[in-house]
Amino acid sequence: EPEVTQTPSHQVTQMGQEVILRCVPISNHLYFYWYRQILGQKVEFLVSFYNNEISEKSEIFDDQFSVERPDGSNFTLKIRSTKLEDSAMYFCASTRTGGYTFGSGTRLTVV
Amino acid sequence: SQKIEQNSEALNIQEGKTATLTCNYTNYSPAYLQWYRQDPGRGPVFLLLIRENEKEKRKERLKVTFDTTLKQSLFHITASQPADSATYLCAPPGDDKIIFGKGTRLHILP
Repeated sequence: EPEVTQTPSHQVTQMGQEVILRCVPISNHLYFYWYRQILGQKVEFLVSFYNNEISEKSEIFDDQFSVERPDGSNFTLKIRSTKLEDSAMYFCASTRTGGYTFGSGTRLTVV
Repeated sequence: SQKIEQNSEALNIQEGKTATLTCNYTNYSPAYLQWYRQDPGRGPVFLLLIRENEKEKRKERLKVTFDTTLKQSLFHITASQPADSATYLCAPPGDDKIIFGKGTRLHILP
């Protein structure tokens, strides 16, 4: 069964550093998303991406965040200057229609 | 603002019984609603999607109902097994996304 692949599975970074989280969505999917989940809290929407542009973003997705689909397969989330409160699981998801397929996530720890 | 409430944070059910989870939504009328399962440290896994014109949807031991009058969806697992223990998430749509509730942690007791 097709999978959404996320790398790395774990990332530890110093506060103020930039991180790039990578995702390979399912190849024939058209819509792409990033969500995050702070430990013990609900899964929160960050951004949706369609037709090579952001279609919607949440209040969390401020200027320190950016997304890119640099080629036909990768979808990246960049956090420019990480803060302690950015520590969370970050999930990439994709869909063609209907249910979303989520990756296994990247656990980001900012120290 | 749009609000999603799942009936309880945790639910304990004896193995073999039917587990019923509730999702209530307020301040909007979604055209469909999705249910996901999430295991600790893993991403959500899509289970079922039910549209507003469908009263009920089934998949193996799972059944979902959608009552647009009550603004409620019920998620049933029949003949529950310990392997069904997980957090179950209700997810109605936003504009270009789905929105997750806090979920219900289901424990199936052997």
